[in-house]
Amino acid sequence: GAVVSQHPSWVICKSGTSVKIECRSLDFQATTMFWYRQFPKQSLMLMATSNEGSKATYEQGVEKDKFLINHASLTLSTLTVTSAHPEDSSFYICSASWGVYGYTFGSGTRLTVV
Amino acid sequence: LAKTTQPISMDSYEGQEVNITCSHNNIATNDYITWYQQFPSQGPRFIIQGYKTKVTNEVASLFIPADRKSSTLSLPRVSLSDTAVYYCLVGDVGGGADGLTFGKGTHLIIQP
Repeated sequence: GAVVSQHPSWVICKSGTSVKIECRSLDFQATTMFWYRQFPKQSLMLMATSNEGSKATYEQGVEKDKFLINHASLTLSTLTVTSAHPEDSSFYICSASWGVYGYTFGSGTRLTVV
Repeated sequence: LAKTTQPISMDSYEGQEVNITCSHNNIATNDYITWYQQFPSQGPRFIIQGYKTKVTNEVASLFIPADRKSSTLSLPRVSLSDTAVYYCLVGDVGGGADGLTFGKGTHLIIQP
């Protein structure tokens, strides 16, 4: 149980365009989801916390207008990277809080901006 | 979450037992200890979680001394597929409203 599906697994986009990444909880309802970013050979860094039906909470230094998060249902959160630039190229990972059992993670999305 | 310290990297060989120790001197009374495994280009995967003494599941054991200021993840008879980064996290990680703060992790390399 507690599977989080993330899509797409990889995406290449042109500089200046926007990209949407989806994160779905498949067999449970996720009131809270989290978005992380991971640069090569570095650890995961929390970007934002996504709460169903309310505005996301962003970590310090994360541009909320660039990284738009929508959590419109208990099973879906989306991260849209707007006006992407090469420095936004990274590995994006979503996670969901799974009751008292902890956290489960998606498989990640490799974004390359060219 | 309590700050953790673990080795940056470790090497071992197939069939050996590998022990990765994590220090967490400022662990709070309500904190649990959780270990995650991450392969390249994949999200972290839960390995094991414990509060005190010893916890064992089908993939690993977690040893926690009485003072809980450290913990040791034990991987029995490792294989090449155990090459990954292992993260130790300490805190109220029972599925709360806060995201996780990952440290640098331990890059475990298993050789034939």
